[in-house]
Order: sequence, then structure tokens, then C-alpha cells
Amino acid sequence: GIQVEQSPPDLILQEGANSTLRCNFSDSVNNLQWFHQNPWGQLINLFYIPSGTKQNGRLSATTVATERYSLLYISSSQTTDSGVYFCAVGETSGSRLTFGEGTQLTVNP
Amino acid sequence: DAGVTQSPTHLIKTRGQQVTLRCSPKSGHDTVSWYQQALGQGPQFIFQYYEEEERQRGNFPDRFSGHQFPNYSSELNVNALLLGDSALYLCASSRWGGTEAFFGQGTRLTVV
Repeated sequence: GIQVEQSPPDLILQEGANSTLRCNFSDSVNNLQWFHQNPWGQLINLFYIPSGTKQNGRLSATTVATERYSLLYISSSQTTDSGVYFCAVGETSGSRLTFGEGTQLTVNP
Repeated sequence: DAGVTQSPTHLIKTRGQQVTLRCSPKSGHDTVSWYQQALGQGPQFIFQYYEEEERQRGNFPDRFSGHQFPNYSSELNVNALLLGDSALYLCASSRWGGTEAFFGQGTRLTVV
């Protein structure tokens, strides 16, 4: 099956810093989503981005499908950005999602 | 729109017992998928239901079974619980053949 690798596994920032999280996948995908998991376990949808670039406030994401990677950018980080960020891919639209192991982000005040 | 709702939020069971978890999908969605997330890991796909049938299944034993009802809600059943079944169980809903999946808040199962 498809493999998903996320880097870095852990990231510690000071409030106000910028960061880039990476997701590599091993095969063609028709679905790619970024999630933020809060301390209570809820997965919050950040982006649905199988290709191209999207922006939502301080967050943006880019997927280069032909090179099998996606990047999540967080600018001017805040303590509330802390948590685990997951990339998940699907080989076809609506199919099962395969998750990476996540990036644990800690933003210190 | 209530989003995806799961019940219960927490559950403690004894080894060997059986458990049933429930999920109501987001309004307008007809497909429900279940995932298991062990501590410190990413969620792992268990199975997916559409039109009351299991459509895809991950690498989980037959002790894990499910059901989808005509109103699109779903149940996950786990028989003969093992300590290793302790995890966060997440339900996701989507439209069949559609795009974005949305997750519920999860059920945290502890097996003692």
C-alpha cells in the first residue's frame, strides 16, 4: 500500500516564528488532506489539497503531485497552534485515508 | 450542522468483553469510515461502509465488525477485547466518490 512520511517528527518554536511541515507519499494520490489534532483527540480539517496551493489565514499548503510531496506552512505561530499535524492521502477520491505519523508542534510563549 | 458525532466519548471495558461504538455522519454524507489510533501514532483504517455494505477493509481481524443503518449512521463492534485494543477510535464521514472526509471527536476505549 501507499506509504506516507512526515517530517520533522517534532518541532519546537517560539511564538511568532514560521515553520514548514513536509509530507512525502509513495504513489499517485487523488486525495490529500492536512489535519490538526487537538489535545482532546479531535482531527480538525485544515486543507483538502490533492494538488496546487491554498491559503487560509496564517496557514497555507502546497502539493506537488508529480513529485509526491506536500508542504504545510504556518506563519506567525501562536501557542494555540500547538498539537499534532497529520497528512493523510487517498489513492482515489473517497477511498480510505492513509495517515503519516504526524508532526508534534510545540509553540512556546 | 452538528458535524460528525460519536458516542460514547470514553469507555472502560474488561478483557474478553464486547463493545459497540456509534457514529452519526455529517449532514449530506452517506459514507462512514472507522479508524483506530494508538497512542503516539497516526490513525489506521479499519473499514468503510456505504449503502449498508462494507466496501473496504484494512488489516484488522474479524473481531472488528460494523454496521451501517438506512439513516447512514454506523456502529463499530469489537468482540473478545484485548489490552491492545485500547486506543482512540475515530469515525469519518464523506460523500461516496467525493472528496473531503470529516472526523468526529473520537471514542477513547480503555481495556483493563
